[in-house]
Amino acid sequence: DIQMTQSPSSVSASVGDRVTITCRASQGISSWLAWYQQKPGKAPKLLIYAASSLQSGVPSRFSGSGSGTDFTLTISSLQPEDFATYYCQQANSFPRVTFGPGTKVDIK
Amino acid sequence: QLQLQESGPGLVKPSETLSLTCTVSGGSISSSSYYWGWIRQPPGKGLEWIGSIYYSGSTYYNPSLKSRVTISVDTSKNQFSLKLSSVTAADTAVYYCARHALDLEAFDIWGQGTMVTVSS
Repeated sequence: DIQMTQSPSSVSASVGDRVTITCRASQGISSWLAWYQQKPGKAPKLLIYAASSLQSGVPSRFSGSGSGTDFTLTISSLQPEDFATYYCQQANSFPRVTFGPGTKVDIK
Repeated sequence: QLQLQESGPGLVKPSETLSLTCTVSGGSISSSSYYWGWIRQPPGKGLEWIGSIYYSGSTYYNPSLKSRVTISVDTSKNQFSLKLSSVTAADTAVYYCARHALDLEAFDIWGQGTMVTVSS
């Protein structure tokens, strides 16, 4: 089974900051990676699919990159509504998927 | 606009079977472009994929839960269902149903989630 790790587990940042979250797969997954945002009490929301494709309606300050085993999610200028937990998800053996443990972005 | 809604008991006794249904509205569950999945999240913890089903009935399960999970689909009712047997307190979680898009290889539409507590 493919295992996913994320770093950091949490990050404190200010509005306007650039934030980068890393996701690593235990084996190569090509570009089969998605990123989700989850706010407390809400369902996750798809942000990025296929490692770097922005889901419809998602602000352009979100971007994704990477392939193989190492991936990043970048928020170019953090906004108040971006404070949330972010999860990566591999889909190399779609529809069998695995989620990363999450990264919490909170206010500095 | 497609919507998903989970329904089922919020409290299940240990050793019993958890049963949930997801009703799809605003679109057909019989589309060839999607799987339909279940994901859960224990309180304060991360997301765990439980399994996914195609409208034809093909199923894929998380290996760690496979022995206890059954997912089925009822295309006439536009619903799919989850059964998890022999539950313990470790199965206490928010259970989400979601649309699993083949072209995105990601869950693009989610239900609001339903909390299920396992307790006597």
